[in-house]
Amino acid sequence: DTAVSQTPKYLVTQMGNDKSIKCEQNLGHDTMYWYKQDSKKFLKIMFSYNNKELIINETVPNRFSPKSPDKAHLNLHINSLELGDSAVYFCASSHRGNEQFFGPGTRLTVL
Amino acid sequence: KQEVTQIPAALSVPEGENLVLNCSFTDSAIYNLQWFRQDPGKGLTSLLLIQSSQREQTSGRLNASLDKSSGRSTLYIAASQPGDSATYLCAVRPLSDSWGKLQFGAGTQVVVTP
Repeated sequence: DTAVSQTPKYLVTQMGNDKSIKCEQNLGHDTMYWYKQDSKKFLKIMFSYNNKELIINETVPNRFSPKSPDKAHLNLHINSLELGDSAVYFCASSHRGNEQFFGPGTRLTVL
Repeated sequence: KQEVTQIPAALSVPEGENLVLNCSFTDSAIYNLQWFRQDPGKGLTSLLLIQSSQREQTSGRLNASLDKSSGRSTLYIAASQPGDSATYLCAVRPLSDSWGKLQFGAGTQVVVTP
């Protein structure tokens, strides 16, 4: 019955590797988001998709590439991981930008 | 540019006391404001959403008010319990935004002592 789910919950990897995080929502929402929470716990939006179309693309290194195969799924692929990419990444969803519901987060640690 | 501030950054109260959490924003042109709760190592749980046309929203022991003209929202939690210990975040959605580009405050960390 989980509304917004993410996998994996934890990700530990070496610098330079490529990794992906997956997100799924079963709320029937049409809009999904990726947020990054840094070490100071500040949350900032990265990307948003509406019905598989990219609608928000903040100033994020192009090593980060989101993909939405359908409106219930949004994945985040990160190339050439750097130490500064270590953070917690949250997926969220809403209906046309209204109340947002968040997933449990993926804690990424780059060594 | 919209800035969202939450003061204090941390708060400790004894059980039973009412909690008052503040959120201020610099641009009153907002679509809505959302309050969240975050437990350590967990995701965000939506508590209340206030549309810009509303003055307050209530859910159980929680009440959130919105004064758009002064750029303030306050979250009241009545009769606090140790289970209310968490970080509380507010986020605003700008009026100019069509898709929910929330701008978050840094949060208030709350500890309720038994």
